[in-house]
Amino acid sequence: VHLVESGGGLVQPGGSLRLSCAASGFTFSNYAMTWVRQAPGKGPEWVSAISNSGVYTYHADSLKGRFIISRDNSENTLYLQMNSLRVEDTAVYYCAKDLGVGVDTPLDSWGQGTLVTVSS
Amino acid sequence: DIVMTQSPDSLAVSLGERATINCKSSQSVLYSFDNKNYLAWYQQKPGQPPKVLIYWASTRESGVPDRFSGSGSGTDFTLTISSLQAEDVAIYYCQQFHTTPYTFGQGTMLEIK
Repeated sequence: VHLVESGGGLVQPGGSLRLSCAASGFTFSNYAMTWVRQAPGKGPEWVSAISNSGVYTYHADSLKGRFIISRDNSENTLYLQMNSLRVEDTAVYYCAKDLGVGVDTPLDSWGQGTLVTVSS
Repeated sequence: DIVMTQSPDSLAVSLGERATINCKSSQSVLYSFDNKNYLAWYQQKPGQPPKVLIYWASTRESGVPDRFSGSGSGTDFTLTISSLQAEDVAIYYCQQFHTTPYTFGQGTMLEIK
C-alpha cells in the first residue's frame, strides 16, 4: 500500500486548496478512505471519510461544510476540497486507507502527509 | 461527539517492564449487532504518521509484536505493552470509529525511565 498526498502549501485566510492522495498497491475501489489532520504539537483529528464507492461521505461537524471529500476510482485518487480556510486549519493532512469498504473501520495505512499553512 | 480521554498523559517505564495506557469513551463504542468494540490504538513516532496497533479493541494488526495487547469493552479500554523495548518510545492514541466524528484521545507520551 502506498499513499502520497499533494496539494498542500501556504494560503491566505479565506482561500481554498485542493488536496490529492494518489493510491497504489491495493484495489482502491474496494476500500473506504479518510482524511485526518494534525496541527503542530497536537493529536490527530478526524476530518472526512468516504465509502469505497463514493456514495457515502462524512465530515466533521466543526468544518461546517467548508471541506468536501471525493474520490475518483478510475484514477485511484482521493481528494479534499478545502474552502474558506482559517488559521486554525493549519495542520499536516494525512490520507488514510480504511480496513474495509465502509468508513466504520480502523485506518490501516497512512500517507506521509501534506502540510497546509493558513496565514496572512 | 464521543469524547475519548486517555490516562496518563505521559508515562515513563523501565526497559523490560510493563506499560499500561487507559482510554475511556464518553459513551459505549460497543455495537450489539456484531458484539464488536469500535476502538483502535495507534502509535506515532516523531515525524511519522500514526500506525495502527490494535483494532476492535483487542485484535492485533498484522506484523505488530505480541508484546502489544488491547483489552476492555463498552467505555473502558487498555493498551498494554508487556515488556517495554526502546523502539516503543512514542505517543499512543486511542480512536473510536463507532460514531462520526471518529474522535481520537489526546494521546499518551511513553518514555523510558
